[in-house]
Amino acid sequence: KQEVTQIPAALSVPEGENLVLNCSFTDSAIYNLQWFRQDPGKGLTSLLLIQSSQREQTSGRLNASLDKSSGRSTLYIAASQPGDSATYLCAVKADESNAGNMLTFGGGTRLMVKP
Amino acid sequence: DAGITQSPRYKITETGRQVTLMCHQTWSHSYMFWYRQDLGHGLRLIYYSAAADITDKGEVPDGYVVSRSKTENFPLTLESATRSQTSVYFCASSWAEMNTEAFFGQGTRLTVV
Repeated sequence: KQEVTQIPAALSVPEGENLVLNCSFTDSAIYNLQWFRQDPGKGLTSLLLIQSSQREQTSGRLNASLDKSSGRSTLYIAASQPGDSATYLCAVKADESNAGNMLTFGGGTRLMVKP
Repeated sequence: DAGITQSPRYKITETGRQVTLMCHQTWSHSYMFWYRQDLGHGLRLIYYSAAADITDKGEVPDGYVVSRSKTENFPLTLESATRSQTSVYFCASSWAEMNTEAFFGQGTRLTVV
């Protein structure tokens, strides 16, 4: 059974700092990995989708990397801002045609960026 | 408006009552999902649907019933609510292709008293 772990569970940084959020998964047979942002009391907003054949995806100040063989992904946030404060979730999709397109989620990293 | 909407946003119900959470999407996505989010457990899949009239169990299906008579709607019913079903419920949808992303609704916070 796939297990997804995110470390740290919580992170507090001063504004302007570059930071890295970590995601690891136990079964490397994934089709893709998706990073989400969740604001308190809100739904999940998709940030980046990285296919298993890709090494990196970038969107603005966000960069996600994927090392499928070692079961790791990182989300790099450059020049963090208070508006980046949220919970960040990673989720993997199994590389099986009968897997139902479902996602397995990590527990999330709660990020606070202090002004 | 295009997107995925859930209703109600908040619901309080009593133990033993039946309650239905609604989910509607306007993209004609073939796949729809129900997840629950709990402290200490993260998001867990309850049920999913690959198309109208096709549904399947996820990780935690006990106590829940789903139906999908139309592509755009995927209601989740708690047949006899229990306190352990107090949670935040998220509906999601995606295209059938494996390389596409999932989109989530705003969630329904359900409290069973």
